[in-house]
Amino acid sequence: GAVVSQHPSRVICKSGTSVKIECRSLDFQATTMFWYRQFPKQSLMLMATSNEGSKATYEQGVEKDKFLINHASLTLSTLTVTSAHPEDSSFYICSARGTGARNYGYTFGSGTRLTVV
Amino acid sequence: GENVEQHPSTLSVQEGDSAVIKCTYSDSASNYFPWYKQELGKGPQLIIDIRSNVGEKKDQRIAVTLNKTAKHFSLHITETQPEDSAVYFCAPNSGYSTLTFGKGTMLLVSP
Repeated sequence: GAVVSQHPSRVICKSGTSVKIECRSLDFQATTMFWYRQFPKQSLMLMATSNEGSKATYEQGVEKDKFLINHASLTLSTLTVTSAHPEDSSFYICSARGTGARNYGYTFGSGTRLTVV
Repeated sequence: GENVEQHPSTLSVQEGDSAVIKCTYSDSASNYFPWYKQELGKGPQLIIDIRSNVGEKKDQRIAVTLNKTAKHFSLHITETQPEDSAVYFCAPNSGYSTLTFGKGTMLLVSP
């Protein structure tokens, strides 16, 4: 149980375009979803936290107008990187948290490798 | 917020040896202590966790020990295998707070 599906796994886009990444909880209701960014050989850095039906809470230094997060249902959250630039190239990972799970419900997606050219 | 330190940053062992990774944290309110394994190009996967009311937990070749007084917990892998090669992260937290990850330990198990 507790499976999180993240798509796409890889995406290459041109500079100035927007990219949407989806994160779905397949077998549980995700009351909270988290979006992380990870640069090569570094740890995961939390970008934002979103609760279903509410606006996302962004970490300091993360531009909310550039990284649009939507959590409209208990099973789906999306991250849209708007007007992407090469410096946005990174590995993006979502995590979903339900209630009552043995590990407090932190289940991670498989990640999305974004390359902006 | 939570200040997390993880050591060593890299660890190379021979197949069959044991590996130990230590995580030190600062928030005395932390009561949940997970370890995640991240393989190249994938998201982290929970491999073992422990609650603050338990000192040690074992799952086959993997174990976690907790010293709440000293604010550190460790991951122990015995009889290491090449497929154990990955990056391991600790992420101590107080249950429903957000996860603060350590900087990671790259474990390389040589055949």
